[in-house]
Amino acid sequence: GQQVMQIPQYQHVQEGEDFTTYCNSSTTLSNIQWYKQRPGGHPVFLIQLVKSGEVKKQKRLTFQFGEAKKNSSLHITATQTTDVGTYFCAGGGATNKLIFGTGTLLAVQP
Amino acid sequence: EPEVTQTPSHQVTQMGQEVILRCVPISNHLYFYWYRQILGQKVEFLVSFYNNEISEKSEIFDDQFSVERPDGSNFTLKIRSTKLEDSAMYFCASRRLAGARTDTQYFGPGTRLTVL
Repeated sequence: GQQVMQIPQYQHVQEGEDFTTYCNSSTTLSNIQWYKQRPGGHPVFLIQLVKSGEVKKQKRLTFQFGEAKKNSSLHITATQTTDVGTYFCAGGGATNKLIFGTGTLLAVQP
Repeated sequence: EPEVTQTPSHQVTQMGQEVILRCVPISNHLYFYWYRQILGQKVEFLVSFYNNEISEKSEIFDDQFSVERPDGSNFTLKIRSTKLEDSAMYFCASRRLAGARTDTQYFGPGTRLTVL
């Protein structure tokens, strides 16, 4: 079945450093969504990318959807302690369900 | 801003017991979902529901699971005979549009199910 992998599994950075997580799907996606989950919390929608090669920015966060619509990345510039949590990509494919990636846990040291 | 709500926040049950997890999706949403997340793992799709019937289900969603929309606001997940491995966080999600694959899913806060 369809699989969505993310790397790295875990990233520890100093506050102010940049962070990137990469998402790869085994199949072509209709769209990719990114969610953030704080420890003990629920997934909170961040953004959705639909078009091949699309790039979107939200303040310090930059999201990219690959040309082949099989991969995506999230880049955070100058991390802050409020950025801690697990970042999941979730692929929307031929059906309407979301296939979540394995997640990247970000730890930010002040 | 409208939110998906779920009750209870935490449910503890004995193995073999039935549990019902409740969700109130956002009011003008048409598509509903249940996902689960075992501690420390990724979020897994269980089932989607539209127009009062199951649209799609995963291999996790076996005969022990059922979903229902008993009235105009609630959406429930029932596990008939719980197993230890059913212990997880269960998230309900809803989506506004039907048929549009690009619409956002909004997640509820989750119900933590602990099976003893």
